[in-house]
Amino acid sequence: AQSVAQPEDQVNVAEGNPLTVKCTYSVSGNPYLFWYVQYPNRGLQFLLKYITGDNLVKGSYGFEAEFNKSQTSFHLKKPSALVSDSALYFCAVRGSGNTPLVFGKGTRLSVIA
Amino acid sequence: DTGVSQDPRHKITKRGQNVTFRCDPISEHNRLYWYRQTLGQGPEFLTYFQNEAQLEKSRLLSDRFSAERPKGSFSTLEIQRTEQGDSAMYLCASSLAGGPNGGELFFGEGSRLTVL
Repeated sequence: AQSVAQPEDQVNVAEGNPLTVKCTYSVSGNPYLFWYVQYPNRGLQFLLKYITGDNLVKGSYGFEAEFNKSQTSFHLKKPSALVSDSALYFCAVRGSGNTPLVFGKGTRLSVIA
Repeated sequence: DTGVSQDPRHKITKRGQNVTFRCDPISEHNRLYWYRQTLGQGPEFLTYFQNEAQLEKSRLLSDRFSAERPKGSFSTLEIQRTEQGDSAMYLCASSLAGGPNGGELFFGEGSRLTVL
């Protein structure tokens, strides 16, 4: 069975500092990995994905994520945080075939001015 | 607006009543998913369709829940004899199967259910 762990319920960072939101996964076969962001009273918005290729993937709003197969991790990063990045972030994984996406519990990011 | 739309956005009902939610996916997407999200949790998979065929149902989906996608376009999720534990945000998402995007899901804004 596939699963995702987001070990931090909350991450606080000062504006302008780099941020990291952690994610580890478990899946059979090659993973398809995603990050989504959720703003208050809004649906989930896609940020970025890893399917194959370069381990460092770049996405929307200056976010990037690094796929590490040996550590089964897919941490979300941004070099310089903005107050507007404050939101709930979800990591998700699926295996090959028709398996649906499985989401982590989410990490609330708070960027302080 | 060509995104995923859900209706109603909010529903308050009394315990024991039936409720139905509707989802209109992105028009060219052949897959449609229902997820449920409660406070402090990530979305939990309920069921999904490819065209009009319901391909998988989660064990979370009790007999009181039924979903349909009769013509392979919009979908409905019905909850019969609602219970307070059904209170949640019900999320619909769609995707294009078999494409190069790895099954990226596009979500609607959700239908929030409150059972009194």
